Amino acid sequence: KAGVTQTPRYLIKTRGQQVTLSCSPISGHRSVSWYQQTPGQGLQFLFEYFSETQRNKGNFPGRFSGRQFSNSRSEMNVSTLELGDSALYLCASSSGLQGRGSSYTFGSGTRLTVV
Amino acid sequence: AQSVTQLGSHVSVSEGALVLLRCNYSSSVPPYLFWYVQYPNQGLQLLLKYTSAATLVKGINGFEAEFKKSETSFHLTKPSAHMSDAAEYFCAVSESGNKLVFGAGTILRVKS
Repeated sequence: KAGVTQTPRYLIKTRGQQVTLSCSPISGHRSVSWYQQTPGQGLQFLFEYFSETQRNKGNFPGRFSGRQFSNSRSEMNVSTLELGDSALYLCASSSGLQGRGSSYTFGSGTRLTVV
Repeated sequence: AQSVTQLGSHVSVSEGALVLLRCNYSSSVPPYLFWYVQYPNQGLQLLLKYTSAATLVKGINGFEAEFKKSETSFHLTKPSAHMSDAAEYFCAVSESGNKLVFGAGTILRVKS
């Protein structure tokens, strides 16, 4: 079956702009999580959506937001971009079953560069 | 909060040698533990997962990991390294709410 699809793969934006990233999970998966990966901070959890509701949120400013649609596709938005937002943004798809044993399948990521 | 420590940001082995990547976790409850691999400009690929069914977990590409509660460790091993194993490896623990907490990663270099 198809994997997790993230679009676009690469983005270059200017400081102060906003950006929207998209993630299509594996068919049948209802949970989508977003992670930010940077050389300095490593992999950090942004938020998780399950059945169109944000179920968990990491420690990021309000400029970072997301949503999930009825078909489980998710988008994340970053407003008023800063240079420090340059990162690889990864989306992870899972069945969303409660408990800590869910398997997470990651997409290839969106590489965002802010100039 | 749960946390993960990966000892050694870089590990170098010769082709055919044993691979050992170290991971220690901190958790107040029985953890679920994961190892992921990341190749350049790619996402994360699941190697294996511990969910308390068995302490020795076998994964893909010949990797395995052993859960040792007394040592709070979940080290990743492979008997014989291959050039294609060169990548970055991440250990992660799953907290409540389906969130993963990752270690800082270990870059594995395989010398010919």
